Amino acid sequence: DVKVTQSSRYLVKRTGEKVFLECVQDMDHENMFWYRQDPGLGLRLIYFSYDVKMKEKGDIPEGYSVSREKKERFSLILESASTNQTSMYLCASSLALGRPAGGIEQFFGPGTRLTVL
Amino acid sequence: AQSVTQLDSHVSVSEGTPVLLRCNYSSSYSPSLFWYVQHPNKGLQLLLKYTSAATLVKGINGFEAEFKKSETSFHLTKPSAHMSDAAEYFCVVSGGGYQKVTFGTGTKLQVIP
Repeated sequence: DVKVTQSSRYLVKRTGEKVFLECVQDMDHENMFWYRQDPGLGLRLIYFSYDVKMKEKGDIPEGYSVSREKKERFSLILESASTNQTSMYLCASSLALGRPAGGIEQFFGPGTRLTVL
Repeated sequence: AQSVTQLDSHVSVSEGTPVLLRCNYSSSYSPSLFWYVQHPNKGLQLLLKYTSAATLVKGINGFEAEFKKSETSFHLTKPSAHMSDAAEYFCVVSGGGYQKVTFGTGTKLQVIP
């Protein structure tokens, strides 16, 4: 079974703090993703990575950065947290295009609920 | 470009009655389509996926979905709802480079005893 783990289930931070959200997957997947989930908006892609040290902006990258130094680990960084970044953050991983996976499903972690005060 | 529309934000059914969650999509590519389920305080779990093989796709827990290209739809159905089906369901379209993935806004399913 693919396992995607996130460092915290719940996190409370103050405005202006630097926040790190960590994600680890154990299935040697090439691709990793960070989403935020807000009521009525579904999941919105923040950043994704298709290889170590490679990253691509998603739909809402402003205020976030990412780091992927090892294949299994993908970190989301809030340089200076703001109250509008209060949300549920979901990490996912998947095989790369071209692998025989018949439609590339993503495997999700349990999520981190971040509250910025 | 691609998009996905889940036509109902909330659906309420009685236990033992059929479930229908509606999804329409648009895509410039030959899309892959997915349904995910999210139980309260949990991550998303794949229910089923369509990848240009059979148009009727069977998933876990008795769910199935039919890909209808002419209607650009991928509705999720189940013959008989169970209390454990109460959750939020997301329709997802995928295609193009770097696996561009677009999520619908979700449908919350309530099952009444």
